Amino acid sequence: GAGVSQSPRYKVTKRGQDVALRCDPISGHVSLYWYRQALGQGPEFLTYFNYEAQQDKSGLPNDRFSAERPEGSISTLTIQRTEQRDSAMYRCASSLEAPGTSYEQYFGPGTRLTVT
Amino acid sequence: SQQGEEDPQALSIQEGENATMNCSYKTSINNLQWYRQNSGRGLVHLILIRSNEREKHSGRLRVTLDTSKKSSSLLITASRAADTASYFCATDYSGGTSYGKLTFGQGTILTVHP
Repeated sequence: GAGVSQSPRYKVTKRGQDVALRCDPISGHVSLYWYRQALGQGPEFLTYFNYEAQQDKSGLPNDRFSAERPEGSISTLTIQRTEQRDSAMYRCASSLEAPGTSYEQYFGPGTRLTVT
Repeated sequence: SQQGEEDPQALSIQEGENATMNCSYKTSINNLQWYRQNSGRGLVHLILIRSNEREKHSGRLRVTLDTSKKSSSLLITASRAADTASYFCATDYSGGTSYGKLTFGQGTILTVHP
């Protein structure tokens, strides 16, 4: 009965380094989403997977950001050559439903990324 | 960019009072959802209302949706100190078949004093 888990919970990295953030969705959930949340703001959509297919990556800020979900379960969000403006809470969510139905999304605790 | 605007930005009430939060959005939607975020924690789904629905209830929560005005409201009745949190509305519009791409508002910070 575990919920969505994310690791690491906190990540401090130096500018220019690459980071990989992991999301482990609820078992059996078809849909997986990545969001980014700045302090005092609501989450902003980054990308969406239906099983292993990345269906929408329109929210990824630039080509330093990429995501994958190779086996339709665990997903990794990678940020290359990090910049200070990448500092934020990165949240993952998963949903049981398939396209065309309603979506209650279950959010993970997030990874707090700080780029120094 | 944020789709919705929530009003008020902050709300402070006494335990037992009702709390009303409003959300306005800009584009057409498939559905609208409300989420709660406690300090330092993740988001928890509260309620979903479809674009063809006007009102929905869940426990002490009542949500209304007016698609002609592109607005929604969340009413929490008989508030408790444990309701203290940030509340976000999120609209789902994917330009066709919905797949849960949510656009969140900036949130309302609710403080309920014991």
